[in-house]
Amino acid sequence: DAGVTQSPTHLIKTRGQQVTLRCSPKSGHDTVSWYQQALGQGPQFIFQYYEEEERQRGNFPDRFSGHQFPNYSSELNVNALLLGDSALYLCASSWGYWVYNEQFFGPGTRLTVL
Amino acid sequence: QQQVKQSPQSLIVQKGGISIINCAYENTAFDYFPWYQQFPGKGPALLIAIRPDVSEKKEGRFTISFNKSAKQFSLHIMDSQPGDSATYFCAASGDSNYQLIWGAGTKLIIKP
Repeated sequence: DAGVTQSPTHLIKTRGQQVTLRCSPKSGHDTVSWYQQALGQGPQFIFQYYEEEERQRGNFPDRFSGHQFPNYSSELNVNALLLGDSALYLCASSWGYWVYNEQFFGPGTRLTVL
Repeated sequence: QQQVKQSPQSLIVQKGGISIINCAYENTAFDYFPWYQQFPGKGPALLIAIRPDVSEKKEGRFTISFNKSAKQFSLHIMDSQPGDSATYFCAASGDSNYQLIWGAGTKLIIKP
């Protein structure tokens, strides 16, 4: 089992551009959550997908959107990039959306906005 | 009320010593308190978690102590080893809110 995989590993974009990050959950998992981790900070919850629907959302603007596919993989899209969007973006998968179910994290995608 | 405050920001402990990291929360509806370990270049990994029906939970060298009245919980790493050097995050959730609220992290260095 490859665990949670994310692509790409690193990404450099300029302000105003759009970016798509991808996540494949751990085998058997049906729920994907996305987090933003700024340097030296704890992860901040962006949103969670279950059964191809956004189930819950954190305090992030509409520029952040996502999608979950029938195979449970997920994408995070960020439009109109700002310098402050530079961060490590983490994907976590779990079996079910209940918070008490262990979330398994991928290694993240490091996004740099210039 | 949604914050989780973690201290210290960084910690240096000698090999074999006890590492202690503390967290405090405000929302009394929180009922799930996990600790995560993150190595450089990796995502966080669940280390140990506690629910408020117990005051302590131990797994190997790792122990969570929970004080419901003080709204505090802490991670104790006994016999700390260089391989424990990592960043540790506390988190909390509950109140029908499925988001994990994370502390800012503690960078732990174990000196050989």
